[in-house]
Amino acid sequence: NAGVTQTPKFRILKIGQSMTLQCTQDMNHNYMYWYRQDPGMGLKLIYYSVGAGITDKGEVPNGYNVSRSTTEDFPLRLELAAPSQTSVYFCASRYPGQANTEAFFGQGTRLTVV
Amino acid sequence: ELKVEQNPLFLSMQEGKNYTIYCNYSTTSDRLYWYRQDPGKSLESLFVLLSNGAVKQEGRLMASLDTKARLSTLHITAAVHDLSATYFCAVGPTGNQFYFGTGTSLTVIP
Repeated sequence: NAGVTQTPKFRILKIGQSMTLQCTQDMNHNYMYWYRQDPGMGLKLIYYSVGAGITDKGEVPNGYNVSRSTTEDFPLRLELAAPSQTSVYFCASRYPGQANTEAFFGQGTRLTVV
Repeated sequence: ELKVEQNPLFLSMQEGKNYTIYCNYSTTSDRLYWYRQDPGKSLESLFVLLSNGAVKQEGRLMASLDTKARLSTLHITAAVHDLSATYFCAVGPTGNQFYFGTGTSLTVIP
């Protein structure tokens, strides 16, 4: 059981470039999330999805886009990368039942914009 | 704007000592989560607290939730070096989103 898988693990982008961070989960979870974690800080919610075809903004959505065409996949797209987007990005998923409401996190993608 | 505040932000404690980390949040929520993060690693779920008065214990860690006070505590008993990590609380007021605290970086000194 792989859980939540993120690719790539590391990436260096130049200012103005674009890229997609991939996230896939094999637990059939409805809910999926993208967070960013700046050095020494907590996690800020970028976007989330409660099911295929449904996405919504979190606390810090500017500069990012998401899509959710399947239950398994929730890619995060960065358009026109900026140094302020240098961060570690975590994808998470959960099944919103009463007994199993914790979120499971991927291993993270460390992104540097230069 | 929902705020989730933890204190202390940094905690250095000797092995064998006890201490408590506090998590305050600014909106009504009956769900609170505690996570652990080792340096350079992902987040690992520790506790899920789903009601007022909930208390859960695992090894040297015990978490509790007071929804009326909007406060959760993570108590460390007889700390050991392996507990050194950053601990996050998270609140899920709507059931859809998780809002994380700033984290408490714990260092246990031999």
